[in-house]
Amino acid sequence: KAGVTQTPRYLIKTRGQQVTLSCSPISGHRSVSWYQQTPGQGLQFLFEYFSETQRNKGNFPGRFSGRQFSNSRSEMNVSTLELGDSALYLCASSGAGGSVNTEAFFGQGTRLTVV
Amino acid sequence: AQSVAQPEDQVNVAEGNPLTVKCTYSVSGNPYLFWYVQYPNRGLQFLLKYITGDNLVKGSYGFEAEFNKSQTSFHLKKPSALVSDSALYFCAVRDRVTGGFKTIFGAGTRLFVKA
Repeated sequence: KAGVTQTPRYLIKTRGQQVTLSCSPISGHRSVSWYQQTPGQGLQFLFEYFSETQRNKGNFPGRFSGRQFSNSRSEMNVSTLELGDSALYLCASSGAGGSVNTEAFFGQGTRLTVV
Repeated sequence: AQSVAQPEDQVNVAEGNPLTVKCTYSVSGNPYLFWYVQYPNRGLQFLLKYITGDNLVKGSYGFEAEFNKSQTSFHLKKPSALVSDSALYFCAVRDRVTGGFKTIFGAGTRLFVKA
């Protein structure tokens, strides 16, 4: 079974630009979550999608948005990029509806650098 | 509100010695606890989880964790450390929230195993 695939792996953007990151979950997984990882803040939860619906959201500004498609693939978008958005963005998928006792399977992440 | 604490930023251990990575948690209901490991430039990998039942949980790569309800702890252990165990370890708690579920990660503990 193929794992979680995130594209692109690396990205360099300029302040003020916008960026879209993509995540393909493990086949059959319908729950997809996104996290931001930085040295100073650790792993911060962005949002979770299940069956094309956002069912949970972290404490991030509205510049951060996401969506999930009918095939469970997910995208996240960051508009008006700031230097502080530089981070490793991780996507994770879960089976069994992503219920409370289900572990997550992570992709390798997208390393975003804002200059 | 749920929270997870990993009191040690770094743990150093000699190869062949036992290792412990500490984690304490705070949840309002039943705890659903997880350990993940992250190798350089990679996403997180699931190691083990506690849902219910035996307090000693066995996981991947020879790791185990001991759930202690009275001390609200879920320490990760391994009887004999390997150099290849050197990585960043995250403890996590998952809980129900309005509309879905949420995973909170600890700040992470960097494990160094010296040959």
